[in-house]
Amino acid sequence: DTEVTQTPKHLVMGMTNKKSLKCEQHMGHRAMYWYKQKAKKPPELMFVYSYEKLSINESVPSRFSPECPNSSLLNLHLHALQPEDSALYLCASSAVGLAGANEQYFGPGTRLTVT
Amino acid sequence: GESVGLHLPTLSVQEGDNSIINCAYSNSASDYFIWYKQESGKGPQFIIDIRSNMDKRQGQRVTVLLNKTVKHLSLQIAATQPGDSAVYFCAEISGSARQLTFGSGTQLTVLP
Repeated sequence: DTEVTQTPKHLVMGMTNKKSLKCEQHMGHRAMYWYKQKAKKPPELMFVYSYEKLSINESVPSRFSPECPNSSLLNLHLHALQPEDSALYLCASSAVGLAGANEQYFGPGTRLTVT
Repeated sequence: GESVGLHLPTLSVQEGDNSIINCAYSNSASDYFIWYKQESGKGPQFIIDIRSNMDKRQGQRVTVLLNKTVKHLSLQIAATQPGDSAVYFCAEISGSARQLTFGSGTQLTVLP
């Protein structure tokens, strides 16, 4: 199974709402990632989890709060977002510790619209 | 900071022709490169990769060429098909964190 799943597929939320994005993989990967992708732009790294611990936070605003409850799951909690946060949010996973062999498998993304 | 970039934002080719998508990178410490394909409404999909100690790697209908002298990467698609229409990103991996950095992307359109 080389699939990364993400839910929901689409999400519309107001600026005062609290919502969560979910990601799941069963490939035994111990690195998981959140990316943000605006239209016609490449994905931009937000967070990296390695062995369920946050290892990289790319100066993401605190209104985005990641969580890795176990090795298969990754959440992104959203609160008090701004309209400019509207984007495609991609989750990815990869193996850890193999030099070069770090192909990241991406999920289909959650299309988020903040109104 | 250092970045990965593409020469052309769009490329149109006739069905059956070969496509060449180019990418320039600036981080000489990058030791691994990947090409991803992203179709509309989907996440990036791995196409092919190449290590920095190689200059060519072939897959099914795709070939990646790496020229470290001029820091240039290219993706060649043979006999381009309508299903190849997508945005193609090059990406590099460097450092102990194995962080992936994407280039700006090329929109490939296959004309009938």
